[in-house]
Amino acid sequence: QSALTQPRSVSGSPGQSVTISCTGSSSDVDGYDYVSWFQQYPGKAPKVMIYDVSKRPSGVPDRFSGSKSGDTASLTISGLQTEDEAEYYCCSYAGSYSFVFGTGTKVTVL
Amino acid sequence: QVHLVESGGGVVQPGRSLRLSCAVSGFFFNNFGMHWVRQAPGKGLEWVAILSYDGSKKYYTDSVKGRFTISRDNSKNTVYLQMNSLRVDDTAMYYCAKARGVLWFESSLSPDYWGQGTLVTVSS
Repeated sequence: QSALTQPRSVSGSPGQSVTISCTGSSSDVDGYDYVSWFQQYPGKAPKVMIYDVSKRPSGVPDRFSGSKSGDTASLTISGLQTEDEAEYYCCSYAGSYSFVFGTGTKVTVL
Repeated sequence: QVHLVESGGGVVQPGRSLRLSCAVSGFFFNNFGMHWVRQAPGKGLEWVAILSYDGSKKYYTDSVKGRFTISRDNSKNTVYLQMNSLRVDDTAMYYCAKARGVLWFESSLSPDYWGQGTLVTVSS
C-alpha cells in the first residue's frame, strides 16, 4: 500500500486560511469515507483533528474543517494561529482492515 | 481521561526479538480495537497492525507479516506487539492507538487517541 500524497509544506500568515491536500486512489480515499487528519508537534504523539472526512472531535477548534472530492481529501485551517504550526498527516481506511497514512505536511505560520 | 503508555523499546541487534507493551486506562478496553503505528526517525507515520476488541482478528502491513504479532490481555488492559527477526528498517518510534468506535465495524476503526510512543532501534 503506497502512502497517500501530501504537499511537503504549506504556509500562511496569522488569520489566513491554508488547505492541505491528501491524494490517494480508488482503494482508499476514493473508496471510503473514513479519512482522518492528525496534528503532530515535534517529539509529541499525533492528535486527531478530523475523522470520517469532515467530523470534528470535541475540543478541536471549528477553524479546522475537512472535505473530500474523489480521490483527494483536504484539511482547511481557517484563521491560522501560531499554535497551528505543526506537521499534519491524513490517514485513510484502505479496505481489508488496513490503513494508510499520508506523507505529511509541515504547516508554517509566517 | 484516555491514557495510553507504551514500554519495551530499546536497542536490539538485527535478527533479534523485542516485545512492546501498551497499558491503557480511561476507557472500557474490552470494547475497542487497538492499533500499532510507527514512525522512523525524521519520517512519516506508517500503520503497522490492528487487533479486534476480543483479540480474534489481526491484520498487518505487508512488511511485518510473519515477523510481528499483535495481541492483547483484556484482564490487564494491555496490548502487545511481539517483534521477531528485527531489521534495521524497523527502527522507529512505535505508538499504540485506540480505535475510535466500539466493537468491530469498518466505519469506526480509525485511530483516535495515541500514546507517547516507545523507541525501537535496530542496530549492530
